[in-house]
Amino acid sequence: GENVEQHPSTLSVQEGDSAVIKCTYSDSASNYFPWYKQELGKRPQLIIDIRSNVGEKKDQRIAVTLNKTAKHFSLHITETQPEDSAVYFCAARSAGNQFYFGTGTSLTVIP
Amino acid sequence: GAGVSQSPSNKVTEKGKDVELRCDPISGHTALYWYRQSLGQGLEFLIYFQGNSAPDKSGLPSDRFSAERTGGSVSTLTIQRTQQEDSAVYLCASSFETKSYNEQFFGPGTRLTVL
Repeated sequence: GENVEQHPSTLSVQEGDSAVIKCTYSDSASNYFPWYKQELGKRPQLIIDIRSNVGEKKDQRIAVTLNKTAKHFSLHITETQPEDSAVYFCAARSAGNQFYFGTGTSLTVIP
Repeated sequence: GAGVSQSPSNKVTEKGKDVELRCDPISGHTALYWYRQSLGQGLEFLIYFQGNSAPDKSGLPSDRFSAERTGGSVSTLTIQRTQQEDSAVYLCASSFETKSYNEQFFGPGTRLTVL
């Protein structure tokens, strides 16, 4: 089955700096890679996603890149703000339509 | 419209008891997913439904876990003879369908504590 690894587990950045979170996956047949933000005590919410036929996608301060050959994808947050502080999860959807999640990155943006 | 709802929001049970967790997806969403999130961990995929059908049940942790969905809407996740390691937040999500790139919307979760 699919195995998704996520790094780092914790990340602290100064407000205004960039944050990068990286994930790798094992199943080359995985075809869809969403990223979720989960604030304390709240449900996960989709912030950006990328399909396997796309190398990069950007939405304002958030971007995701995908390297299918290396089987890794990354989340980039620029100009970080305190409200970006949360746990971020990457996920990969397998060919069988199951979603496999990384173990999460706890991001703290220091004002 | 209303989002995904789950009930109960919290459940405390004794080891060995059976529990039933309920998920009400967004109206019109044909795909429904169950996940388990242990403290400080990621989301563990349990099972998904496309309509009333669950094509792959291999994600369920043991044969004590079962899930069903009737009428293409409400789903229940049943855990029999609960164990302490079953303690976690159980999240449900729904989307329009499984095979396209539709966003999953998550419910608030059910926090299960097995004493």
